[in-house]
Amino acid sequence: DVKVTQSSRYLVKRTGEKVFLECVQDMDHENMFWYRQDPGLGLRLIYFSYDVKMKEKGDIPEGYSVSREKKERFSLILESASTNQTSMYLCASSIPFHRDHGYTFGSGTRLTVV
Amino acid sequence: GDSVTQMEGPVTLSEEAFLTINCTYTATGYPSLFWYVQYPGEGLQLLLKATKADDKGSNKGFEATYRKETTSFHLEKGSVQVSDSAVYFCALSDQDYGQNFVFGPGTRLSVLP
Repeated sequence: DVKVTQSSRYLVKRTGEKVFLECVQDMDHENMFWYRQDPGLGLRLIYFSYDVKMKEKGDIPEGYSVSREKKERFSLILESASTNQTSMYLCASSIPFHRDHGYTFGSGTRLTVV
Repeated sequence: GDSVTQMEGPVTLSEEAFLTINCTYTATGYPSLFWYVQYPGEGLQLLLKATKADDKGSNKGFEATYRKETTSFHLEKGSVQVSDSAVYFCALSDQDYGQNFVFGPGTRLSVLP
């Protein structure tokens, strides 16, 4: 069964900490995405990548960075965590030029910054 | 730009009731359409999809028909169960490369026994 795996389901971090959220997919997908989900705001795209070492800003990149050193792994980095980054973070992957296939999502990481 | 509009929630139904969640879209091209479901504490799962006009997607008793003339993709189920309680997202894909999905805001469904 194809999978997108997010390393942690729940994380609690302190304000000012550097936080790494890891996402790994085993489907050889070129495209990978990071979203955050907040009540009343739906899914908001933070960053995406369509190839190794490539990255593109989404709608809300401020306060975040990403790393894609290997095709299967896409990391989201909070350089200095703040309480307004408390959220559910969702990773997804897809195949380019196959828009009919849809996205495959991970189970999500619920991050709390205290 | 492309957009997806869903009916406001939350929607509360009794078990075995009929479900409709409305979804309409705006797209410059000829999109593929999707419904995703998110159970409590989980990520999103693909529920069904349709890739051309008049196609009907179906899965787990849910159905949706791609209506190009009304730019709609409404989700229906004839008899809901408590286990269907979740958030449902309508989405479209209109590009072949890069960030190609547009999601609706989601509709929360609660089914009471």
